[in-house]
Amino acid sequence: NAGVTQTPKFQVLKTGQSMTLQCAQDMNHEYMSWYRQDPGMGLRLIHYSVGAGITDQGEVPNGYNVSRSTTEDFPLRLLSAAPSQTSVYFCASSYTSGIGGELFFGEGSRLTVL
Amino acid sequence: AQTVTQSQPEMSVQEAETVTLSCTYDTSESDYYLFWYKQPPSRQMILVIRQEAYKQQNATENRFSVNFQKAAKSFSLKISDSQLGDAAMYFCAYRSAFQSDMRFGAGTRLTVKP
Repeated sequence: NAGVTQTPKFQVLKTGQSMTLQCAQDMNHEYMSWYRQDPGMGLRLIHYSVGAGITDQGEVPNGYNVSRSTTEDFPLRLLSAAPSQTSVYFCASSYTSGIGGELFFGEGSRLTVL
Repeated sequence: AQTVTQSQPEMSVQEAETVTLSCTYDTSESDYYLFWYKQPPSRQMILVIRQEAYKQQNATENRFSVNFQKAAKSFSLKISDSQLGDAAMYFCAYRSAFQSDMRFGAGTRLTVKP
């Protein structure tokens, strides 16, 4: 049982480069989301999706893009990386809201932007 | 927007002793869910305990229990008989019954002394 799988686990980028963080889940969850974790700030929501073809912005969406073409996959794209995007990124999924479902998390991806 | 506050950036406890981590939240909703997640050095986010706001009874999971005070909007986590493996970052989180996103506090780093 894979759960939520994120790749890559580590990445170093130069300012201005673009990249995609991949996220896949095999639990048939409708809801998927991306968070970033920074020291002293907890986890902040970047983007989320409540189903295929539906995405919405979270608390800190600038500089990131998402799409949801299938139930299983929810990639996060950094369009032009900046040092402020150095962080640990988590993908998380759950059943739809309203039933108080816990979020299931991937193992995280540490991104460094030089 | 709902906010979650953890006022203790760091806590320490002696092995086998009891420690309480504090969490307060701000919401105007009556139906919601509260969570405590543990993040050990491996970075994996692990659900510790979950509380439904409509339940008056405090949730318990083995050595972990909560003190849920709905009127005071307080949700503390008590760890009894602390073990070395309890050392981790602990995050308090809020999820509305009507919205998708989960909000996290800044976290409390727990150290367990042998």
